[in-house]
Amino acid sequence: DIQMTQSPSSMSASVGDTVTITCRASQGISTWLAWFQHKPGKAPKLLIYGASSLLGGVPSRFIGSGSGTDFTLTISSLQPEDFATYYCQQTVTFPHIFGQGTKVEIK
Amino acid sequence: EGQLVESGGGLVQPGRSLRLSCAASGFSFDDYGMHWVRQAPGKGLEWVSGISWDSGSIGYADSVKGRFTISRDNAKKSLYLQMNSLRTEDTALYYCGKDLAEGGVAGYYYYGLDVWGQGTTVTVSS
Repeated sequence: DIQMTQSPSSMSASVGDTVTITCRASQGISTWLAWFQHKPGKAPKLLIYGASSLLGGVPSRFIGSGSGTDFTLTISSLQPEDFATYYCQQTVTFPHIFGQGTKVEIK
Repeated sequence: EGQLVESGGGLVQPGRSLRLSCAASGFSFDDYGMHWVRQAPGKGLEWVSGISWDSGSIGYADSVKGRFTISRDNAKKSLYLQMNSLRTEDTALYYCGKDLAEGGVAGYYYYGLDVWGQGTTVTVSS
């Protein structure tokens, strides 16, 4: 199985900050990577697929990059609604394992 | 956009079985792969199982392999998860989800779940 490791597991940031979350695959997955945002009591939301393609309707401050084994999600100019937990997920082969999540909290 | 509604969750004793259902509407169900994802209390997201648009490709998490079976009925626009030999660690909120990638002759590929249900809770306890 391809394991996904995210870092950090949590972080504190202020509105307006730029934050970066990293995700590493245990083996190369090309660009078969998705990023999700999850808020308590709500269903997760797909932000980015194919490592860098923004889903329609997602603000352009969410930027995904990377290929192979190393990926990043950058959120520029953090907004109040961005405080949530973020997950990466590899989609190249079953099982489609998620990273353990990164909780972005208000400083 | 699409809508998914899960059902079938509940309280069940360890070792027993449960069948989850997911009813789809608002999109061409038979064109898309589908998945089950769960979240145990206080834990992160865990992908459970996935199935291609034509049921030709199926996968499971190691934690459920041999106990859970995913299936779909395209005529009924429904996804299912048969869960046998349930364990206390299967207690979770179970989501069904539609994959963004549209199936077809190009083979089986996936982009991630772009439509999610609200989830159904499964509690395994004696």
